[in-house]
Amino acid sequence: DGGITQSPKYLFRKEGQNVTLSCEQNLNHDAMYWYRQDPGQGLRLIYYSQIVNDFQKGDIAEGYSVSREKKESFPLTVTSAQKNPTAFYLCASSIDPPNFNGYTFGSGTRLTVV
Amino acid sequence: AQSVTQLGSHVSVSEGALVLLRCNYSSSVPPYLFWYVQYPNQGLQLLLKYTSAATLVKGINGFEAEFKKSETSFHLTKPSAHMSDAAEYFCAVSSGGGADGLTFGKGTHLIIQP
Repeated sequence: DGGITQSPKYLFRKEGQNVTLSCEQNLNHDAMYWYRQDPGQGLRLIYYSQIVNDFQKGDIAEGYSVSREKKESFPLTVTSAQKNPTAFYLCASSIDPPNFNGYTFGSGTRLTVV
Repeated sequence: AQSVTQLGSHVSVSEGALVLLRCNYSSSVPPYLFWYVQYPNQGLQLLLKYTSAATLVKGINGFEAEFKKSETSFHLTKPSAHMSDAAEYFCAVSSGGGADGLTFGKGTHLIIQP
């Protein structure tokens, strides 16, 4: 079945470390997104990419970086510059208009600073 | 510009009672509207969507929503709540047929009382 796979499901980071969250989709979707979710704050957009080798900052990009070298993959790196990285991270993808049908989400990665 | 307002960060209903989750949107062009559900530590799952066809939309798990242009609303309802409906619900809007991506509301946590 087609879908989005996020790994790992749980991730622990020490102070000062960079960590990378994986997101892979086999839906042949053009656009991919990263969201951060904190209690009571809904979903906040970190980065998005509409085509390979191109991506745009979202509302809270500081302390994060991404790459889009393949259509299927959109990894997110949480750098040491992100001062409060503990959160639930969601990856999503969508097909471009005129066939836009909403987003398909992965099952998320919970990142905890230890 | 597009935006979504979900009234009530928490809604509590008794098992068997009517569920009503409110969503109002702002969009400069005819919108696409979506409701998603999220269970703890999982990604978002599409419940239903409105993409300019029938104004009363039926989704999974017995949920439905009605698009009311005059009220700029897309409220989610279910005639009889089940314990398994306890989750976080997100309303989302897209203008321009998806060209502007999805904008999410902050979510409503649905609590089911036995």
